[in-house]
Amino acid sequence: TQLLEQSPQFLSIQEGENLTVYCNSSSVFSSLQWYRQEPGEGPVLLVTVVTGGEVKKLKRLTFQFGDARKDSSLHITAAQPGDTGLYLCAGGSNYKLTFGKGTLLTVNP
Amino acid sequence: DAGVIQSPRHEVTEMGQEVTLRCKPISGHNSLFWYRQTMMRGLELLIYFNNNVPIDDSGMPEDRFSAKMPNASFSTLKIQPSEPRDSAVYFCASRVGENTEAFFGQGTRLTVV
Repeated sequence: TQLLEQSPQFLSIQEGENLTVYCNSSSVFSSLQWYRQEPGEGPVLLVTVVTGGEVKKLKRLTFQFGDARKDSSLHITAAQPGDTGLYLCAGGSNYKLTFGKGTLLTVNP
Repeated sequence: DAGVIQSPRHEVTEMGQEVTLRCKPISGHNSLFWYRQTMMRGLELLIYFNNNVPIDDSGMPEDRFSAKMPNASFSTLKIQPSEPRDSAVYFCASRVGENTEAFFGQGTRLTVV
């Protein structure tokens, strides 16, 4: 079984603060994806990383894939209330896509 | 394209009844996934298909759950008989291939009373 552990489970911060959330596994994945989910909706893709050590930036979001392709992090700079949501990491291997439980982020104005 | 379409959006049923959830994936997508989401367990993978063939159903909770994909444009997830612990949001997702974006439907909120 491929398990993805995300931490922290919950995070409540003030607007303008920086934060990092983590996604760890004992399994190697061919790709690691981050999704964001809002209430009443399905998850929506933010980024896909496929190479060990890869770093991708999406405006104020920075994603990193671990060298061994087992873990990943998501860093948000100067968080805004619009960043509020459930952040899910997902590991891909042999066409399978397995999700972690997510980090529920609340950014207070 | 209208995206992944799931029906119904909400289902309330009595314990013991049969429930059928439906999914229409995006045209041209080769992989289809069924997930169940609860607060306690997160987004659990139940089963996934590749080119209409079930590849891995190890996430299906028990024999009460079954899934079919008779063609590239339609899949069903059936629970028979349903139990209160099956209450959750069930998502269907599809994608073109490995390492590509998975597109999710809006989910079916199932309540078994």
